Amino acid sequence: GDSVTQMEGPVTLSEEAFLTINCTYTATGYPSLFWYVQYPGEGLQLLLKATKADDKGSNKGFEATYRKETTSFHLEKGSVQVSDSAVYFCALSDLTGGFKTIFGAGTRLFVKA
Amino acid sequence: SQTIHQWPATLVQPVGSPLSLECTVEGTSNPNLYWYRQAAGRGLQLLFYSVGIGQISSEVPQNLSASRPQDRQFILSSKKLLLSDSGFYLCAWSGQGRSRSTEAFFGQGTRLTVV
Repeated sequence: GDSVTQMEGPVTLSEEAFLTINCTYTATGYPSLFWYVQYPGEGLQLLLKATKADDKGSNKGFEATYRKETTSFHLEKGSVQVSDSAVYFCALSDLTGGFKTIFGAGTRLFVKA
Repeated sequence: SQTIHQWPATLVQPVGSPLSLECTVEGTSNPNLYWYRQAAGRGLQLLFYSVGIGQISSEVPQNLSASRPQDRQFILSSKKLLLSDSGFYLCAWSGQGRSRSTEAFFGQGTRLTVV
């Protein structure tokens, strides 16, 4: 079945550091890819998405590029802020899976001032 | 605009007691509905999903059940809670159809503690 693998956390960075959270996927079809963010005590919010190969999703300084050849969708940000501290989930949605959204395990990010 | 309501926000229940968590969606029709669980320090686990009234698919065996009595209402239940049922439960919806940009929209979650 479809699955998403993302790097284990927690990731601890200093403010203004560069962030990369790796994400790879397996899917039987041609999925859409997403990054969701969960702030403490809240539900998930969509951060960005990409629906086809080579698309780049971006939002709030975060970006990720859909790489079909490497089945990856790594999340990056050039300069993190304390307010970026949260749990980040990589996810996919696949037509052949009935558009269920399958999530990775989540990566907790701590940003220190 | 579409909104999703999930309640209660926090719940403490004794072992062996019943459970009912409710989720409703407004502003859309015929949504796909989902229940996820997030155990402490772990990722999201899909428990149930529904593509229509009375149509429930279970992803993992457990002592929980789900029902969809109305198009935009999704209920998570248990007859007897276990300690291992503790966690953060999230309801979500996504649109029907073949859109490749279909994303999931989440409720605020219910933190369940079984004592």
